Amino acid sequence: EDKVVQSPLSLVVHEGDTVTLNCSYEVTNFRSLLWYKQEKKAPTFLFMLTSSGIEKKSGRLSSILDKKELFSILNITATQTGDSAIYLCAENRYGGATNKLIFGTGTLLAVQP
Amino acid sequence: DAGVTQSPTHLIKTRGQQVTLRCSPKSGHDTVSWYQQALGQGPQFIFQYYEEEERQRGNFPDRFSGHQFPNYSSELNVNALLLGDSALYLCASSSLRGHIILYGYTFGSGTRLTVV
Repeated sequence: EDKVVQSPLSLVVHEGDTVTLNCSYEVTNFRSLLWYKQEKKAPTFLFMLTSSGIEKKSGRLSSILDKKELFSILNITATQTGDSAIYLCAENRYGGATNKLIFGTGTLLAVQP
Repeated sequence: DAGVTQSPTHLIKTRGQQVTLRCSPKSGHDTVSWYQQALGQGPQFIFQYYEEEERQRGNFPDRFSGHQFPNYSSELNVNALLLGDSALYLCASSSLRGHIILYGYTFGSGTRLTVV
């Protein structure tokens, strides 16, 4: 059974707070772990992680992968109201002739002024 | 450089009807995947097309079918619509080399389908 689990399901913080979002996945045919931000419709790409222990950073966002414990975290520092969105974690899994994304349910982040 | 384009943006259909959704991939991408996102859920993989063939399929009934054209654009068809088919349908394009997806996936803004 495909399973990517995200926690928390929802989070309310104030501007300036730091948040940590969690994602656990299964090891079967794992290729990479991706994070997306979904504000209205189209998920927008944040990070793709393939190697364990190497942090990827983009401005106030950073992410790291632990392939031994099968999880990833997404950190957002100095949060802003524009960070309010659903954050989706997806395992890029190889199966048959190609790859597919297995998504978690997402974490709904609300940043209050 | 155009991103992924989906049409229509919104659609209302009656139970039992059939619907066709369309997707044009990002320039330079040759692989199209379709996802269904129900309210409050993450996207669920429907199927993926490459070289005009269905390469992989998720746990969706045969009512869901697709097609890819020589210009890499794709259609998703759903027959005998059920109320439970109401969802946001997302198209994602990528570039496939061997078994490797290059540069990740780019998503379109989706088609919001409502079945009444």
